[in-house]
Amino acid sequence: DTEVTQTPKHLVMGMTNKKSLKCEQHMGHRAMYWYKQKAKKPPELMFVYSYEKLSINESVPSRFSPECPNSSLLNLHLHALQPEDSALYLCASSQDRTDYGYTFGSGTRLTVV
Amino acid sequence: QKEVEQDPGPLSVPEGAIVSLNCTYSNSAFQYFMWYRQYSRKGPELLMYTYSSGNKEDGRFTAQVDKSSKYISLFIRDSQPSDSATYLCATFSNTDKLIFGTGTRLQVFP
Repeated sequence: DTEVTQTPKHLVMGMTNKKSLKCEQHMGHRAMYWYKQKAKKPPELMFVYSYEKLSINESVPSRFSPECPNSSLLNLHLHALQPEDSALYLCASSQDRTDYGYTFGSGTRLTVV
Repeated sequence: QKEVEQDPGPLSVPEGAIVSLNCTYSNSAFQYFMWYRQYSRKGPELLMYTYSSGNKEDGRFTAQVDKSSKYISLFIRDSQPSDSATYLCATFSNTDKLIFGTGTRLQVFP
């Protein structure tokens, strides 16, 4: 299995809702990442997990809460989002933090209404 | 100054053309350079990586790094409509974060 699987593919949520994005990989990668991508912009790093520990938080608002329950799974919990948080949320993984070969999932397209 | 700069395009070429995509970077300490391809509504896919200066070839794709001018290029030979995508150059920052250029949209028309 050489894929990163993200669910759901699309999500529409209200500003008072709580939802979660899920990311899974079975490649034995020990580093996992969340990126946010707005239309016609490059992906921007949000969080980095290394060996299931949060190692980088790029000053992301607390309404985004990451979680890494095990080495294969990464979640992003969403609460009280704003319309400007609408974007494509990408998960990626790599062997470890020094590996150049990131594998990206197809993303969750989030719309906040 | 952004760490990685890239012309956003769009770049429109006929099928069979040679395509040249370019990026510049600001920090001479950067060593690893990657090219990702991103189709619409998909995640980026690693195409090629290079370390230090020189060329690397993979089929129709050639990645080139010129460290003296801090310039990286991706050449696509015999371009196909299926090459139509956004191409993102990337490198690792001093803190091991993967940072992307803005991406160049390429369209190859039949």
